[in-house]
Amino acid sequence: EAGVAQSPRYKIIEKRQSVAFWCNPISGHATLYWYQQILGQGPKLLIQFQNNGVVDDSQLPKDRFSAERLKGVDSTLKIQPAKLEDSAVYLCASSFHINSYNEQFFGPGTRLTVL
Amino acid sequence: SQQGEEDPQALSIQEGENATMNCSYKTSINNLQWYRQNSGRGLVHLILIRSNEREKHSGRLRVTLDTSKKSSSLLITASRAADTASYFCARSQGAQKLVFGQGTRLTINP
Repeated sequence: EAGVAQSPRYKIIEKRQSVAFWCNPISGHATLYWYQQILGQGPKLLIQFQNNGVVDDSQLPKDRFSAERLKGVDSTLKIQPAKLEDSAVYLCASSFHINSYNEQFFGPGTRLTVL
Repeated sequence: SQQGEEDPQALSIQEGENATMNCSYKTSINNLQWYRQNSGRGLVHLILIRSNEREKHSGRLRVTLDTSKKSSSLLITASRAADTASYFCARSQGAQKLVFGQGTRLTINP
């Protein structure tokens, strides 16, 4: 089966610019997650969707980050304007069900560098 | 920090040796999961252990969980060069959320 797809794989922007990342989860997976992974750290959950509804966005910096999951399939994560500290790998993951007994399947990530 | 503590932060061993990584946490859990991340790639789920389980095996992997000490360990036996990666524990909080530790960087030397 096809895995979680993400694009672009790499992005370099200057601070105060905007950027968007795209994620296509595994077919049939209702739950979608966006994580931020700073170099040398573990992933930190930014936002979690169940179908097209937001379940948890408590750690999303809402003044600059936004995410949507239209039609409950693909998702986009946007940063506007970007700051230097946003440099990180942005990982998208999906799982079959919101129940945490389900493993999460991760995409390859988008490495963002903010100059 | 919401993240758990993993120990050691880095581990370097010879091929064929066993590798043990530890994870500690502060809050109660429903389950604890271990993931592997190869350089420049996404995370791959390795094993899940529920809060009412004490030990679980999967191939060369052995995971233990001690809820009284709020700690877990991952043992990789007979290590191979392909096991070189970062290993993360992730604890579930409630029914929905995974909180990852900072990871252990494992290097297997040929």
